Amino acid sequence: QVLLVESGGGLVKPGGSLRLSCAASGFTFSDSFMSWIRQAPGKGLEWVSYISGSGSPIYYTDSVKGRFTISRDNAKNSLYLQMNSLRVEDTAIYYCTRDRVVAAGDWGQGTPVTVSS
Amino acid sequence: DVVMTQSPLSLPVTLGQPASISCRSTQNLVYSDGNTYLHWFQQRPGQSPRRLIYKVSNRDSGVPDRFSGSGSGTDFTLKISRVEAEDVGVYYCMQGTHWPWTFGQGTKVEIK
Repeated sequence: QVLLVESGGGLVKPGGSLRLSCAASGFTFSDSFMSWIRQAPGKGLEWVSYISGSGSPIYYTDSVKGRFTISRDNAKNSLYLQMNSLRVEDTAIYYCTRDRVVAAGDWGQGTPVTVSS
Repeated sequence: DVVMTQSPLSLPVTLGQPASISCRSTQNLVYSDGNTYLHWFQQRPGQSPRRLIYKVSNRDSGVPDRFSGSGSGTDFTLKISRVEAEDVGVYYCMQGTHWPWTFGQGTKVEIK
């Protein structure tokens, strides 16, 4: 079955960096469009970034452009999110999702990111 | 950005009774390919979100048939024909037609 396992979250100071990873299994990763979606504590869902199976095109929501970089390694069945210049408002659970037919058909369990001094 | 507005934000329901959630968008969600990329998600307490409905009215595998989606253009509805205890949670609509893809604020469904 489809399995998405995120890792790499944690506590970081404002201005710091983190790299999230998502290990995928149970489907043909290289054929799949993938995304990162986040949820701030007690809040709703926000689409962060999106990448096609080949690695292009890539999209970002405006609030993370220039700070976050999405990438993938199809040989390792892995998705990444490099997060630089982190802000307090980036605090959230970050979910890795896979398109199934269309957007976000499958979700991981999420990895928490806390940005605080 | 396309703003998705859900109503109500809180929905107390009696077990076995129907429930309905409205979702309105600030732009028409029909894409150039003719499809309407409006989807519904359920998030049970303490769990990751799960997609229930995609492209307005298509139920995902394993989703009970008491869930149905309808609508067109800018006006959409999720209906639960008879609410069960396991339906408690927050429901989100989401548009995937215009980047950035955006979600509604969420509707919290609880049992009276």
